[in-house]
Amino acid sequence: TQLLEQSPQFLSIQEGENLTVYCNSSSVFSSLQWYRQEPGEGPVLLVTVVTGGEVKKLKRLTFQFGDARKDSSLHITAAQPGDTGLYLCAGGDSSYKLIFGSGTRLLVRP
Amino acid sequence: DAGVIQSPRHEVTEMGQEVTLRCKPISGHDYLFWYRQTMMRGLELLIYFNNNVPIDDSGMPEDRFSAKMPNASFSTLKIQPSEPRDSAVYFCASSQGMSGNTIYFGEGSWLTVV
Repeated sequence: TQLLEQSPQFLSIQEGENLTVYCNSSSVFSSLQWYRQEPGEGPVLLVTVVTGGEVKKLKRLTFQFGDARKDSSLHITAAQPGDTGLYLCAGGDSSYKLIFGSGTRLLVRP
Repeated sequence: DAGVIQSPRHEVTEMGQEVTLRCKPISGHDYLFWYRQTMMRGLELLIYFNNNVPIDDSGMPEDRFSAKMPNASFSTLKIQPSEPRDSAVYFCASSQGMSGNTIYFGEGSWLTVV
């Protein structure tokens, strides 16, 4: 069974601080996606990475896919209250089945 | 585009009753997914369809759960009979194409079984 573990589970930081969220697995994935989910809504895709070692930037967010395609990280620079939400990583295999991590709940205090 | 549309948004039902959740995917999308989200288990894939055909239903918890997709614009997830442990948020999602493509989620159906 493929599992994705995210850490930390909860994170409460002050506006302006930097943070990193980790997504780890013992399995290799063909692609890795990061989603953000706000209360009362469905997850929204932030980024997809498919190549080992790939780094993608989305404004203040930096996503990295591990060289072995088993892990990923999300780094947020100068966090803002609007970044508050549940961050989910999801690994895709050849069958197109997405396995979701348990999520990291981020609270950015003004 | 209107996005993935789910109904009802909220449902409270008594144990033993039948529950039907509905989903309209984004027009033109050929994949449709049903997920369930709980605090304990996170987001779990229940079943997915490709061109209206069920491809993988290994995530469906038990025979009380069934899903259909009679046409490209409509799908249902049915629970009969419902139990308190079925309480969760059920998401429908759709996408166009294969792995790595964007999956669009609906806003979810919040189910409470008492």
